[in-house]
Amino acid sequence: KNEVEQSPQNLTAQEGEFITINCSYSVGISALHWLQQHPGGGIVSLFMLSSGKKKHGRLIATINIQEKHSSLHITASHPRDSAVYICAVKGNKLTFGGGTRVLVKP
Amino acid sequence: SQTIHQWPATLVQPVGSPLSLECTVEGTSNPNLYWYRQAAGRGLQLLFYSVGIGQISSEVPQNLSASRPQDRQFILSSKKLLLSDSGFYLCAWSGVSTDTQYFGPGTRLTVL
Repeated sequence: KNEVEQSPQNLTAQEGEFITINCSYSVGISALHWLQQHPGGGIVSLFMLSSGKKKHGRLIATINIQEKHSSLHITASHPRDSAVYICAVKGNKLTFGGGTRVLVKP
Repeated sequence: SQTIHQWPATLVQPVGSPLSLECTVEGTSNPNLYWYRQAAGRGLQLLFYSVGIGQISSEVPQNLSASRPQDRQFILSSKKLLLSDSGFYLCAWSGVSTDTQYFGPGTRLTVL
């Protein structure tokens, strides 16, 4: 079993829909990251959180340390949100989930 | 502001040939530096990280090596490439007191 599991692996949404991506982990962590990888390969760090909730524009990230679970929400999704979203947890080292490929159709 | 550069952007190399990928960071001092690989259809894998000049930690045993000859320069090398070395190689940096990592544009390596 992978230390970091993301679901779903793929997600297709219509523009304007609310999107949720989930990340579950099995190790003790000091922080969790959400990253966005665009089709060209470039990666952008979206959030780093160790408790509670963070919001940036239309993106919201939450984490439940007791349940070892985090979610990334995209409100009012737009085609430019199409990307791979990657969850990574910081334990002894940074361990990455397999990513969730999101496609938002106009 | 800080920027991170990688080159080349793409590379096609024959099996058995050497490799040198370069990463440089501007606008910050004493960064932590990282090399990652993303194989086709797979997640990111940490290969090496460095907390200072000449200090390299390897996460995965393989035929790759890394060096940090200068504070803001990180080099990934191989003496003889394997087919399995194909992938997307990403360099990243973070500050000493923060976990947030900033990624470079990546190098897409194809070994034929």
